[in-house]
Amino acid sequence: GQNIDQPTEMTATEGAIVQINCTYQTSGFNGLFWYQQHAGEAPTFLSYNVLDGLEEKGRFSSFLSRSKGYSYLLLKELQMKDSASYLCAVSDSNYQLIWGAGTKLIIKP
Amino acid sequence: IAGITQAPTSQILAAGRRMTLRCTQDMRHNAMYWYRQDLGLGLRLIHYSNTAGTTGKGEVPDGYSVSRANTDDFPLTLASAVPSQTSVYFCASSDTGENTEAFFGQGTRLTVV
Repeated sequence: GQNIDQPTEMTATEGAIVQINCTYQTSGFNGLFWYQQHAGEAPTFLSYNVLDGLEEKGRFSSFLSRSKGYSYLLLKELQMKDSASYLCAVSDSNYQLIWGAGTKLIIKP
Repeated sequence: IAGITQAPTSQILAAGRRMTLRCTQDMRHNAMYWYRQDLGLGLRLIHYSNTAGTTGKGEVPDGYSVSRANTDDFPLTLASAVPSQTSVYFCASSDTGENTEAFFGQGTRLTVV
């Protein structure tokens, strides 16, 4: 079967760094997406990885290892507005997105 | 219209009633999707359409139907609502192929009583 695993909840301090992990087992792989979803709102796109390595975009970076079926989202210089759920999704062999349940990130002052 | 729009934003529905959730996009995306999001379960695909005139079943299609008469519109119909269909429903669209991010509507919060 297809499976995406990520922690249910994480807590971090304002100004710190946090790493949210995602492991996956899917039928085929055509890329991995990270989305941010604030409470009561729609998910919004953060990053896309299809090759191994690190993609950096401002305070956010995303890493992929296809051989390990593993990705992480790294958030630096955390701000209170980063409190949200972070969703990992894998595009399978049919380009359908398989979604993880999301990681709720709580930022404390 | 800018992006992808859903209607209504929320609805309370009596069990057994028929309901259509509307979704319209103006980005000329080929693919459209309907998801439901329940606490602890993440986004689950109900139905999808890769291009106008075609539809497919997702992970949880039972009790739902869709149509794709044109590129822009992708309505979702609950023929006879049941309480287990209480959820937040998101419509999304994307281009097809690699590196195609999905754009989401603002969601419809549906409560079946």
